[in-house]
Amino acid sequence: EAGVAQSPRYKIIEKRQSVAFWCNPISGHATLYWYQQILGQGPKLLIQFQNNGVVDDSQLPKDRFSAERLKGVDSTLKIQPAKLEDSAVYLCASSSRGLAGGGLGEQYFGPGTRLTVT
Amino acid sequence: KNQVEQSPQSLIILEGKNCTLQCNYTVSPFSNLRWYKQDTGRGPVSLTIMTFSENTKSNGRYTATLDADTKQSSLHITASQLSDSASYICVVSGGITSGTYKYIFGTGTRLKVLA
Repeated sequence: EAGVAQSPRYKIIEKRQSVAFWCNPISGHATLYWYQQILGQGPKLLIQFQNNGVVDDSQLPKDRFSAERLKGVDSTLKIQPAKLEDSAVYLCASSSRGLAGGGLGEQYFGPGTRLTVT
Repeated sequence: KNQVEQSPQSLIILEGKNCTLQCNYTVSPFSNLRWYKQDTGRGPVSLTIMTFSENTKSNGRYTATLDADTKQSSLHITASQLSDSASYICVVSGGITSGTYKYIFGTGTRLKVLA
């Protein structure tokens, strides 16, 4: 089966500019996650979707970050305006089962988008 | 506070040698524990998953252990290869908040295997 697709793979922007990332999960996967991974750290969950509804966005900086998953398939994550500390890899993951089942669903990660804010 | 701590932060070994990575967690309630391998420039890939009742799980040259009493896990890599050079991330599922389990990630151990 095809994996999780993300684009672009790399992006360089200046601070205060806007940027958007796109993710296409594995076909049929109802749960989609966006993570932020700062260099040398583990991924941090930004937002979790179950179909097109938000399950958890407690760590999403809502003053500048937004995400949507229209039609319950692909998703976009937007940053507006970007700050220097937003430089990170943004990972998208999907699973066929969400965390309601005890988190037993396998997460499949995309290759990530490396964002550099100058 | 739900946390996952890994040690060492980084490790360098010679090809063919064995190594063991550690993961300690303070996540409650606990559902399961995963080890992921993350190659540079790629997303994490799952190696093993263990639930509360399992204490050993193998995947080729990778063997994970879990001690749910002491809340410790280890990942043992046997006969290391150059391709094992990567970051290894321990992830615990648990810590229910608002009726939803969380995935709690460790910061990873960066392994470098030298020829």
